[in-house]
Amino acid sequence: GAVVSQHPSRVICKSGTSVKIECRSLDFQATTMFWYRQFPKQSLMLMATSNEGSKATYEQGVEKDKFLINHASLTLSTLTVTSAHPEDSSFYICSAFRPTTGVKREQYFGPGTRLTVT
Amino acid sequence: KQEVTQIPAALSVPEGENLVLNCSFTDSAIYNLQWFRQDPGKGLTSLLLIQSSQREQTSGRLNASLDKSSGRSTLYIAASQPGDSATYLCAVRYGGATNKLIFGTGTLLAVQP
Repeated sequence: GAVVSQHPSRVICKSGTSVKIECRSLDFQATTMFWYRQFPKQSLMLMATSNEGSKATYEQGVEKDKFLINHASLTLSTLTVTSAHPEDSSFYICSAFRPTTGVKREQYFGPGTRLTVT
Repeated sequence: KQEVTQIPAALSVPEGENLVLNCSFTDSAIYNLQWFRQDPGKGLTSLLLIQSSQREQTSGRLNASLDKSSGRSTLYIAASQPGDSATYLCAVRYGGATNKLIFGTGTLLAVQP
């Protein structure tokens, strides 16, 4: 079953409003989560790395004031798209590493959130 | 700049055919390489992960190979089925086990019944 969940799965908002997307790790603690964006028929582009208890690390070209990331707990990271515009319409996917035995890590991806800004 | 490219961008084959998807990366000093499957409007499902020290990994009808020196990986799908229709993404990781993945452009596969 899914080990990383996202909510909502789909959201439609009006231009100028803000929308929050949640990413939760189920039954494990994730000190690091990643947020990706995927435009239609394109690959995933990393937006930022979310670290629990500290500021997120944003990739070059991603506006940190527009895409607010809060990793408030070891099981929850949120992405808030502020003052959304139609060009922000995209598929947003989060990912987290699930610790296993020793140094091995498994990375799981959420099911994604489809954001449409009208 | 570290880039990952996949060829072809799209592929349509009749059911039962064996097929090969290609992935190339510009920086050969990878930590590991991973193949994913993505169904329309869905998240990613990990198929195979190859560590930099490995040459190939197999899971069922899937076989992934890695040639670091040439910066290439292939995903071989045997006896394709309509249920294999999806987008296949190749991704590479540099530096360490929990570092970010750099994704390729994807190959959209359609297996015709």
